[in-house]
Amino acid sequence: QVQLVQSGAEVKKPGSSVKVACKTSGGTFSNNVISWVRQAPGQGLEWMGGSAPIVGSAKYAQKFQGRVTITADASTSTAYMDLSSLRSEDTAVYYCARGFSSSWYPHYCDSWGQGTLVTVSS
Amino acid sequence: DIQMTQSPSSVSASVGDRVTITCRASQGISSWLAWYQQKPGKAPKLLIYAASSLQSGVPSRFSGSGFGTDFTLTISSLQPEDFATYYCQQGYSFPYTFGQGTKLEIK
Repeated sequence: QVQLVQSGAEVKKPGSSVKVACKTSGGTFSNNVISWVRQAPGQGLEWMGGSAPIVGSAKYAQKFQGRVTITADASTSTAYMDLSSLRSEDTAVYYCARGFSSSWYPHYCDSWGQGTLVTVSS
Repeated sequence: DIQMTQSPSSVSASVGDRVTITCRASQGISSWLAWYQQKPGKAPKLLIYAASSLQSGVPSRFSGSGFGTDFTLTISSLQPEDFATYYCQQGYSFPYTFGQGTKLEIK
């Protein structure tokens, strides 16, 4: 059974960076795209970007381009999402999610991490 | 970006009712659409993918249909555990986008 376990909650100052980890187990890490999706308090879901370990590429939503870096370490089956220049509007729960396949298209997420709350506050 | 618009934004229904939620894409996405269920404080759960394929382990009272720009999620007979928020998501092109959500509440 596939499991995605994320790192713990973070409290950050505006202007700083946060790095969230997502360790996967129960599957072959490189066989699936890993996406990152965030959810602000009381709001909907927003796709930020993802990584395709098998081809070593990452894709980002334009909104986050330049501020987010998504990486993957196949040796530890762990994906990372690094978000910089944090502002209060980045306060949200950040989820990692496993895509159906190693391909970018089509993309559906069949397994999700438990979520990591990132709070940005001075 | 492809905009995904769900309707209604919220709906009240009773146990045993049949409920339909609609999702419209701003451009054609073939059948590359998924539906998720989310309960408070929990991660989303995949229900339907490729517009009409039921994810393993999901009860058969959930069904999906549609192609191109118009899609529906139907719950044939509501159970108490189905009261949650539902999201559609297009997996057709970057950035993958979600609908704004439909909250299903108990009447």
